[in-house]
Amino acid sequence: GQNIDQPTEMTATEGAIVQINCTYQTSGFNGLFWYQQHAGEAPTFLSYNVLDGLEEKGRFSSFLSRSKGYSYLLLKELQMKDSASYLCAVRDSGGYQKVTFGTGTKLQVIP
Amino acid sequence: DTAVSQTPKYLVTQMGNDKSIKCEQNLGHDTMYWYKQDSKKFLKIMFSYNNKELIINETVPNRFSPKSPDKAHLNLHINSLELGDSAVYFCASSHLGLAGEGQETQYFGPGTRLLVL
Repeated sequence: GQNIDQPTEMTATEGAIVQINCTYQTSGFNGLFWYQQHAGEAPTFLSYNVLDGLEEKGRFSSFLSRSKGYSYLLLKELQMKDSASYLCAVRDSGGYQKVTFGTGTKLQVIP
Repeated sequence: DTAVSQTPKYLVTQMGNDKSIKCEQNLGHDTMYWYKQDSKKFLKIMFSYNNKELIINETVPNRFSPKSPDKAHLNLHINSLELGDSAVYFCASSHLGLAGEGQETQYFGPGTRLLVL
């Protein structure tokens, strides 16, 4: 099975940088996803890591260390619209590659 | 064009009733999922179908019965609704490639907000 941990809530200031951490313990690993979910809406895909290192996509970057069971999502130049929950999700290596979601980190961006 | 759609968006019903939620995707994906998101916002997998075949069936009460008439549709029927079934139910779809092949990103529908009174 999968056990995924993320902070429950974070607050950051508009224009700043924030790092949201995710640690996982898995019986098998085949990739880690980050999703963004605004209140009352569906989760939307942000990033995917399967190899160690940093993946950059505009203001968002995601890092993975498989040996440490650790990932983070880095948000730069924060905007008010970035206020949302950020879900870390791990895919296992079984035949059907089930994806297990963490409980999410609710980020509040303040002026 | 809507990629993953669900109906209804809102569902308010009495305890003990039977209800269905429908999901359709036009992305050409071969795999569809039902997730339940509770009041604490925890998103938990319930079922998954690949090419109309059930491949993931988590510990879910027998009152929940999914049905996939074809690859583009996955419905969820719930019998004898209970208060604890109140949640947001998300449908999602993806392409299930070989392990390690591509991202198989899941695309989510808008959710069905179920309230059992």
